[in-house]
Amino acid sequence: DQQVKQNSPSLSVQEGRISILNCDYTNSMFDYFLWYKKYPAEGPTFLISISSIKDKNEDGRFTVFLNKSAKHLSLHIVPSQPGDSAVYFCAARGWDDKIIFGKGTRLHILP
Amino acid sequence: SQTIHQWPATLVQPVGSPLSLECTVEGTSNPNLYWYRQAAGRGLQLLFYSVGIGQISSEVPQNLSASRPQDRQFILSSKKLLLSDSGFYLCAFGEDRANEKLFFGSGTQLSVL
Repeated sequence: DQQVKQNSPSLSVQEGRISILNCDYTNSMFDYFLWYKKYPAEGPTFLISISSIKDKNEDGRFTVFLNKSAKHLSLHIVPSQPGDSAVYFCAARGWDDKIIFGKGTRLHILP
Repeated sequence: SQTIHQWPATLVQPVGSPLSLECTVEGTSNPNLYWYRQAAGRGLQLLFYSVGIGQISSEVPQNLSASRPQDRQFILSSKKLLLSDSGFYLCAFGEDRANEKLFFGSGTQLSVL
């Protein structure tokens, strides 16, 4: 039973445009949602997070939006840069400190 | 500052051989510790997590086990590896409930042949 779902395996975006990565979840008890970026053969690095009591968090080019009624969150990257090409993971933290990740979305930034 | 060390970086093991991957954390005390595996097309799968010494929660029934012999040491083991155990293994730590972030090690690429 997948509690965190990233339904798009890959996404291609033109450099300079906005990249929008989506994530859905099923457990309404998650209290934090996180986005990570991962390059091949490396550990994921933290990008941005949002508490379940908020609907938006912004950090530079990265903004995360949370829609609790739809159990949906999205990561917006604007403007997209070549170095943003990577796999992006959505994750959610439960009350028991268990952190569940989605399957990831591979983002390609096109020149 | 906190750091996490994970080794080895790569490992090639025959089917049926044992496994021991070690992870240590520095610069923090009583961290939450996690083992994840990234297999092809499977994303980051949570294998084990620990909120304290001797406290291990297993998420996926399999032939792997985890132990936490010291506060900042987390070990992933197997008595007999299977082909399906191949993958990229990642150790991670979280500081406390007030800090929701996880910090990951550099990973171990395990190939079982």
